[in-house]
Amino acid sequence: AQTVTQSQPEMSVQEAETVTLSCTYDTSESDYYLFWYKQPPSRQMILVIRQEAYKQQNATENRFSVNFQKAAKSFSLKISDSQLGDAAMYFCAYRSGHTGNQFYFGTGTSLTVIP
Amino acid sequence: DAGVIQSPRHEVTEMGQEVTLRCKPISGHNSLFWYRQTMMRGLELLIYFNNNVPIDDSGMPEDRFSAKMPNASFSTLKIQPSEPRDSAVYFCASSFGQFGEKLFFGSGTQLSVL
Repeated sequence: AQTVTQSQPEMSVQEAETVTLSCTYDTSESDYYLFWYKQPPSRQMILVIRQEAYKQQNATENRFSVNFQKAAKSFSLKISDSQLGDAAMYFCAYRSGHTGNQFYFGTGTSLTVIP
Repeated sequence: DAGVIQSPRHEVTEMGQEVTLRCKPISGHNSLFWYRQTMMRGLELLIYFNNNVPIDDSGMPEDRFSAKMPNASFSTLKIQPSEPRDSAVYFCASSFGQFGEKLFFGSGTQLSVL
């Protein structure tokens, strides 16, 4: 089975600064999709950004962008101009493009935004 | 669209009681997932369905857990008998079956077994 690793259990960032959350994954597949989900204290899981493995261009969504390094199997999330509302747990997830609809999640990174 | 709807939002029960969690996926989605979230183990996939058929239930902890999807718009996760170690947040999520489609989560059920 594929594994997703988030090595930073906790991170903090000053408001308006930039922070990068790390994620690595292990797979033998060439076709797959990667996601970052945000879980605020309300516990609702919200999709932040999605990346197709076949695309070389890094996905961006407003202040959120990824650094996708396919050869290194790395998928980090960069949050620019951090806001208080960005404080949440962030989960990296992998979905196979071949072997069914399984999603694999990392253990999460808790992000604190300091005013 | 109302999104994925889970009920109840909170459930408090006593050890040994039967617990039933309910989920209504987004209309048109043909994949449904049940996850359990705890501080110790993070997000664990319990079971998922494609077109109402269970595909992988290897994450179901033991025989006390069962899940059904009688039709495309409804699924249940049942725990009988419940134990204190079952206390967790249980999420239901749905997706289109096409590869790469994102997962839409419900708001979860906070289960406390006393």
